[in-house]
Amino acid sequence: IAGITQAPTSQILAAGRRMTLRCTQDMRHNAMYWYRQDLGLGLRLIHYSNTAGTTGKGEVPDGYSVSRANTDDFPLTLASAVPSQTSVYFCASSASGSSYNEQFFGPGTRLTVL
Amino acid sequence: AQSVSQHNHHVILSEAASLELGCNYSYGGTVNLFWYVQYPGQHLQLLLKYFSGDPLVKGIKGFEAEFIKSKFSFNLRKPSVQWSDTAEYFCAVISHGSGNTGKLIFGQGTTLQVKP
Repeated sequence: IAGITQAPTSQILAAGRRMTLRCTQDMRHNAMYWYRQDLGLGLRLIHYSNTAGTTGKGEVPDGYSVSRANTDDFPLTLASAVPSQTSVYFCASSASGSSYNEQFFGPGTRLTVL
Repeated sequence: AQSVSQHNHHVILSEAASLELGCNYSYGGTVNLFWYVQYPGQHLQLLLKYFSGDPLVKGIKGFEAEFIKSKFSFNLRKPSVQWSDTAEYFCAVISHGSGNTGKLIFGQGTTLQVKP
């Protein structure tokens, strides 16, 4: 069982380019999340999805979009990358969006926007 | 807005020393509380969690945390740290307010360095 996989592991991107970070989970979890981790700020929620077909905005959604066409996949797209989006991105999932469910995290994608 | 504050940003200890990492949150309602650990180069893993009941919760690897509702705190402790405990530690909170959708609010993180 892989749990949560993310791709790519790392990426250097020119400003203005479009980029999609991939996230796949094999736990049949209903809820999925995208966070960015920045030094001194901890993890901040970008977008979330409580079930396939629905998405919602987190704390820092600007410049990012997501889709949830099926249970397993939750890609994060940067339509036009900017240097402030340089960060480590973590995908997470939980059995449901209930506050009683533990979130499981993927290995992360380190993105550098130049 | 809800927030989580971790007071210690960088802690350096020698092996066998005792550890206490502070965590305070700002939310007056019912909360669930978590501590996650991120070892170098790895993803976040759950150390322990508090939902209800005994405010002293025990987690993996000898860690424990105490929920003190009156102080809005959930400090992490370990009596004797090991070199392998070197990692970054995150406190996180989920509130039970209306519209809650399982959104974890994280603290800034504390980097623990244990010297052998």
